[in-house]
Amino acid sequence: EIVLTQSPGTLSLSPGERATLSCRASQSVSSSYLAWYQQKPGQTPRLLIYGASSRATGIPDRFSGSGSGTDFTLTISRLEPEDFAVYYCQQYDSSPPLYSFGQGTTLEIK
Amino acid sequence: EVQLVQSGAEMKKPGESLKISCKVSGYSFATYWIGWVRQMPGKGLEWMGIIYPGDSDTRYSPSFQGQVTISADKSINTAYLQWSSLKASDTAMYYCARHPRYSSGYRYFDYWGQGTLVTVSS
Repeated sequence: EIVLTQSPGTLSLSPGERATLSCRASQSVSSSYLAWYQQKPGQTPRLLIYGASSRATGIPDRFSGSGSGTDFTLTISRLEPEDFAVYYCQQYDSSPPLYSFGQGTTLEIK
Repeated sequence: EVQLVQSGAEMKKPGESLKISCKVSGYSFATYWIGWVRQMPGKGLEWMGIIYPGDSDTRYSPSFQGQVTISADKSINTAYLQWSSLKASDTAMYYCARHPRYSSGYRYFDYWGQGTLVTVSS
């Protein structure tokens, strides 16, 4: 079973700054099978990035994803007030067919 | 417009059974997978299982295999998650979410239901 470890657990930044969130897998993950989600308090998760680097419909271009193999990154180029939330990475392992999520990174206002 | 509308909050006692639903609209129900995700209070997201309504092909996380049953009814565009005997530890928010066909080459959940809060307490 592939385990995803996100770091840092909490990231404290100010609006306008750049955020870099990490997702490390215990085994290699196909880039096509790596996604990122945002969840605000009391809200449903929202798909941001799929295929490691493709933005979902309606997602602002300040959000970008990169990486391959075991190391993936979500970057928010200039933080807006509405970006402060919890972010999760998710992967799919085809053998056996399994999905898993990282434990989340909380992005909080400094 | 794609919509996944889940059934309302439930309060149950340990040992009781429960079936919650996820009714979809705005797309062809039979040709996308539907996954279920658990979020315990104050915790992260956990994948429970996934079903392809077209042929009812269902896969479960080992953590939830035998603990829940996932099903779908194509005639009413609805997916279900059910328990035969609830425990207090089943208290959580449960989300359904749409997943594209595996032939797309990608694996992600693009549209989510609003969540169903299940509370199990004596």
